[in-house]
Amino acid sequence: EDQVTQSPEALRLQEGESSSLNCSYTVSGLRGLFWYRQDPGKGPEFLFTLYSAGEEKEKERLKATLTKKESFLHITAPKPEDSATYLCAVQTSYDKVIFGPGTSLSVIP
Amino acid sequence: DGGITQSPKYLFRKEGQNVTLSCEQNLNHDAMYWYRQDPGQGLRLIYYSQIVNDFQKGDIAEGYSVSREKKESFPLTVTSAQKNPTAFYLCASRERLAGQETQYFGPGTRLLVL
Repeated sequence: EDQVTQSPEALRLQEGESSSLNCSYTVSGLRGLFWYRQDPGKGPEFLFTLYSAGEEKEKERLKATLTKKESFLHITAPKPEDSATYLCAVQTSYDKVIFGPGTSLSVIP
Repeated sequence: DGGITQSPKYLFRKEGQNVTLSCEQNLNHDAMYWYRQDPGQGLRLIYYSQIVNDFQKGDIAEGYSVSREKKESFPLTVTSAQKNPTAFYLCASRERLAGQETQYFGPGTRLLVL
């Protein structure tokens, strides 16, 4: 069964304390892996798409990486405004998009 | 400004009532989607439409209906058959560019039962 999991479920960081969020997947063929940021009560905001193992993408303090089984979202020197829920989604070879449950990130000043 | 709009932001449903959630996009995207989001769960696909006048059931279509009469619009009706409708509903459209596909989301509608 196709599945996407994310860990940890929740993460509290001090401002400036770098860390990583994990997205693990078991799907029948990967066409793309997506990261989104979601603020409370709002729709998800697109961050990155990764297509093949070894690919990396960066945006400000965020860097996403992809292996054959998982993706990491690295957050370098986070600020309080980085607090949000980060969603991972996988597009399978038969064009289905499966979302993980998300990681809730809190960055404390 | 190009984007996806959803209305209303909050919607209250009485017992036995059908309610309709609006989704409009001016991005000229062919494909549109409806998802349901519950606390602690990933987004679950309700319905999707690849082109005008065509739509397909997603994983949790029971108790919901849609129409796609215009490219820009993809309304979702939550019928009285949906026994647990309280959730955050998200509409998305898909961009296809140079072989890459990305879904963009609207701001969401929160549905509450009175």
